[in-house]
Amino acid sequence: QVQLVESGGGVVQPGRSLRLSCAASGFTFNNYGIHWVRQAPGQGLEWVAVISYDGANKYYADSVLGRFTVSRDHSKTTVFLQMNTLRTEDTALYYCAKDVGQYYEIPLYIDSWGQGTLVTVSS
Amino acid sequence: EIALTQSPGTLSLSPGEGATLSCRASQSVRNNYLAWFQQKPGQAPRLIIYGASSRATGISDRFSGSGSGSGTDFTLTITRLEPEDFAVYYCHQYGNSPYTFGQGTKVEIK
Repeated sequence: QVQLVESGGGVVQPGRSLRLSCAASGFTFNNYGIHWVRQAPGQGLEWVAVISYDGANKYYADSVLGRFTVSRDHSKTTVFLQMNTLRTEDTALYYCAKDVGQYYEIPLYIDSWGQGTLVTVSS
Repeated sequence: EIALTQSPGTLSLSPGEGATLSCRASQSVRNNYLAWFQQKPGQAPRLIIYGASSRATGISDRFSGSGSGSGTDFTLTITRLEPEDFAVYYCHQYGNSPYTFGQGTKVEIK
């Protein structure tokens, strides 16, 4: 079955960088887009970014545009979220999630989720 | 960016009752690309509805979704609430980038 395992979270100071990883298994990784969604403590869901199945298309939330970069490594079946110039408001549980569509240049909706990795931005 | 506003914020109901959750978009959602997710404490969200009205795999037919012709008003209806239905529900539009979520509606036991 689909398995998505996030890692790389931790405590980081404002202005610093962090890279999250999402290791995927149980499906044909090369065929599907992957989303990142975050959830601040006690708050709702916020969509962050998505990368298409082939890495050609990437879309970002306005709140992270220019600071976060999503990428994927097909040899490692892993998606990365490079987070730069972190702010206290980036503190959240970060989920990676699989898109439903195979070979979709423009990803659609999420059908499977990981369990998340916690990022805390604090001085 | 399309803003999604969910109402009410909290719905207090008893098992066996029905629930109606609303999601209003600030502009038309392309192709009615609107999904609903359920989230329980300490768990990742779970897909309930996609395309405004299609149930995800394994979801009970007590859950149904609908959308208005304008593409801005969407509803999730849950009939005969079961104990496992009490959770937070989020609407999510994926028709326009950036994709967005509503702020959530909590369905709690009265």
